[in-house]
Amino acid sequence: NAGVMQNPRHLVRRRGQEARLRCSPMKGHSHVYWYRQLPEEGLKFMVYLQKENIIDESGMPKERFSAEFPKEGPSILRIQQVVRGDSAAYFCASSPIRISTNEKLFFGSGTQLSVL
Amino acid sequence: DAKTTQPPSMDCAEGRAANLPCNHSTISGNEYVYWYRQIHSQGPQYIIHGLKNNETNEMASLIITEDRKSSTLILPHATLRDTAVYYCIVRLYSGGSNYKLTFGKGTLLTVNP
Repeated sequence: NAGVMQNPRHLVRRRGQEARLRCSPMKGHSHVYWYRQLPEEGLKFMVYLQKENIIDESGMPKERFSAEFPKEGPSILRIQQVVRGDSAAYFCASSPIRISTNEKLFFGSGTQLSVL
Repeated sequence: DAKTTQPPSMDCAEGRAANLPCNHSTISGNEYVYWYRQIHSQGPQYIIHGLKNNETNEMASLIITEDRKSSTLILPHATLRDTAVYYCIVRLYSGGSNYKLTFGKGTLLTVNP
């Protein structure tokens, strides 16, 4: 049973380019969460999605960032016109149902985005 | 969410118990204590959580003081692979946005041979 799969593992972009980060949740999981970890900081929540729905995007920057989780295929975190401050590790987590007391988040290994 | 305070770093000898403290003096009655860890270049991994009773699983034990203002994560026989950053997080147990785990800077545990 494969865990949460993220790709690419490392992504290098120049300023102004677009970055697409992919996340395939664990089998049977229909809830996906994206987190960002800036250098020397803790992880911070960005967005929570179910299949075809954005449930909570309160942690996502208003500009340039978007996320989707289509009916088929992985969840995508898209960053348009990247800037150096977007350089960070982006982690995806999944759960079978909406996270509650006895549910734990299963995290992927992350995508390290470097903006030149 | 209640704020947590952890030492920035700790060392432990391989094979010995590692005791990682966490202060959460503003915790409220319906908030759980969660522990996750992050091994270098990997995603966080759930370890254990509890409300007021001590908890144990195959990875660790969680000891919560009677007043719930602090807790200790115990790794009974630390190995080199336990070297990681350990995060103590306090979260509401249900409802609302309890998926919004906020990870602070945690404790870097270094297990030495």
